[in-house]
Amino acid sequence: AQRVTQPEKLLSVFKGAPVELKCNYSYSGSPELFWYVQYSRQRLQLLLRHISRESIKGFTADLNKGETSFHLKKPFAQEEDSAMYYCALSGGSYIPTFGRGTSLIVHP
Amino acid sequence: GAGVSQSPSNKVTEKGKDVELRCDPISGHTALYWYRQSLGQGLEFLIYFQGNSAPDKSGLPSDRFSAERTGGSVSTLTIQRTQQEDSAVYLCASSSKTENTGELFFGEGSRLTVL
Repeated sequence: AQRVTQPEKLLSVFKGAPVELKCNYSYSGSPELFWYVQYSRQRLQLLLRHISRESIKGFTADLNKGETSFHLKKPFAQEEDSAMYYCALSGGSYIPTFGRGTSLIVHP
Repeated sequence: GAGVSQSPSNKVTEKGKDVELRCDPISGHTALYWYRQSLGQGLEFLIYFQGNSAPDKSGLPSDRFSAERTGGSVSTLTIQRTQQEDSAVYLCASSSKTENTGELFFGEGSRLTVL
């Protein structure tokens, strides 16, 4: 079975502060991990995936197989980063498993 | 179309009524997913269609829920005898990858409120 845990329902920071949204997964095989984001009144969309190893909107995420984690980080949060963030795992199943989501609020 | 299209965007119904939610995926996408999004519950998988294969219904919460996909394109999710706990946003997504999942493209969702 595959499982994704996002321990924080809500993360509140001030503009310019570093941000780390936590994601831990459970899967015995080789995982494919994603971060999806949903801005207010917009549809859910892909932010980044671990195989791309790219930085999107200043966000990065590194897969740590030893800690089974895929935390999302940004050194300096912006107000426009306020959104709902979902971590997702695609393992042997073709059905991605999503975490419960973390609501990020960036205060001015 | 430009993206995944869902209708209706909002549906208010009375307990016990049946509802149908429609999803029009991105043209050419063979994989189609239905998820349910509830506050604090994240995204709950409901059902998955891949081409002409039998759907994976393992996520459907009860036999009141069913879905079909006609002609490998448009999909309809039906909830019979709705209950208040069915209130949620129902999201449809499509994908072009046929093996391991790639990026899912989501619709804007259908918000269902059962009174």
